[in-house]
Amino acid sequence: ILNVEQSPQSLHVQEGDSTNFTCSFPSSNFYALHWYRWETAKSPEALFVMTLNGDEKKKGRISATLNTKEGYSYLYIKGSQPEDSATYLCAMGRGSNYKLTFGKGTLLTVNP
Amino acid sequence: EAGVAQSPRYKIIEKRQSVAFWCNPISGHATLYWYQQILGQGPKLLIQFQNNGVVDDSQLPKDRFSAERLKGVDSTLKIQPAKLEDSAVYLCASSPGRDTSSYEQYFGPGTRLTVT
Repeated sequence: ILNVEQSPQSLHVQEGDSTNFTCSFPSSNFYALHWYRWETAKSPEALFVMTLNGDEKKKGRISATLNTKEGYSYLYIKGSQPEDSATYLCAMGRGSNYKLTFGKGTLLTVNP
Repeated sequence: EAGVAQSPRYKIIEKRQSVAFWCNPISGHATLYWYQQILGQGPKLLIQFQNNGVVDDSQLPKDRFSAERLKGVDSTLKIQPAKLEDSAVYLCASSPGRDTSSYEQYFGPGTRLTVT
């Protein structure tokens, strides 16, 4: 059984705060790690796909790092804004059919 | 480029009734996925199609769930009969296929099913 764990389960921050979440996954047979942002009533939006140990990606105020040897990824949001409020999902991809296994997500609420 | 379309967006049915969901993937995408996301859980893969063939349906409850992808484009997921525990968001996703480097999956907005 492949377990992808995310923490914290939920998070409340004030506008302007910086925050980060963790995704942990089995390091064996790793191929890629995906991050998605899912706002209520909208489609999950792809943020990053990372494959290499030490990878670091950035998109505006959001960045992510990857450690495949120890099996974790961090997602950082700098200067949180109310529009960043969403559930952030990570998923590990592997297998010959490239199947994604998701974590339960981190629900971020940014208060104005 | 148009995204993944799903309908209906919301559905409320009574237990033991039947329901069907429809998905139209991004044009040209060979791979199509159906996920079930129960409140408090991450999305769980139900079935994966490559063109019009099933690649993985190991987590599909085949006694009540069925899915098809005629002509390798649109797909329909059916539940018959529904149970209370089927209440969830059903997400459809598509990706270009196994011969790409990114394997990125593009999601539709989902159908929120409530079984009463």
